[in-house]
Amino acid sequence: AQTVTQSQPEMSVQEAETVTLSCTYDTSESNYYLFWYKQPPSRQMILVIRQEAYKQQNATENRFSVNFQKAAKSFSLKISDSQLGDTAMYFCALGLSNFGNEKLTFGTGTRLTIIP
Amino acid sequence: DAGVTQSPTHLIKTRGQQVTLRCSPKSGHDTVSWYQQALGQGPQFIFQYYEEEERQRGNFPDRFSGHQFPNYSSELNVNALLLGDSALYLCASSWDRVLNSPLHFGNGTRLTVT
Repeated sequence: AQTVTQSQPEMSVQEAETVTLSCTYDTSESNYYLFWYKQPPSRQMILVIRQEAYKQQNATENRFSVNFQKAAKSFSLKISDSQLGDTAMYFCALGLSNFGNEKLTFGTGTRLTIIP
Repeated sequence: DAGVTQSPTHLIKTRGQQVTLRCSPKSGHDTVSWYQQALGQGPQFIFQYYEEEERQRGNFPDRFSGHQFPNYSSELNVNALLLGDSALYLCASSWDRVLNSPLHFGNGTRLTVT
């Protein structure tokens, strides 16, 4: 079974600052993907960034980057130059590669508030 | 290009009733997955449909059933509703022909059971 743990229920940061959200996971599989999803008040889950477990290079998407530590089973999200629109729930998720991404295991989320 | 659409947006039902939620996948997608998100929790996988059949299922009772139509749209049915079924139900679509195709989510249906 797969588990995903997010130990920070809530975080807040001043606009334009950098914030890091933590995530740890557990799986016995060797092929998997990791994701960060954002869920604003509109409720739609929006993919922020994804990381293939077989890739050593950390994924980056504009202001968003990850620190993937495979041995430690850690997958943190760094948001640089934070903006008011970044305010949302952030979920870390794990998917197994054998069946694609249909069955994701999510963490309990971190509520991020960007303060003007 | 229409994304994933779900209907209705909100629904209130009484214990013991039955409910049907609907989902239209993103254009070009052929796989539909359903997730249940209880208040304050992350989404939990219910099941996934491909080629009109259930391909994977999470740890949910048989009261939860689904269907996929030839146009790839899908329904989620829940029978004998319990108070604990109150949640946000999310539909996500993807393209089976692309390995690890990213999931696209809809805005969800908020179900309240009283």
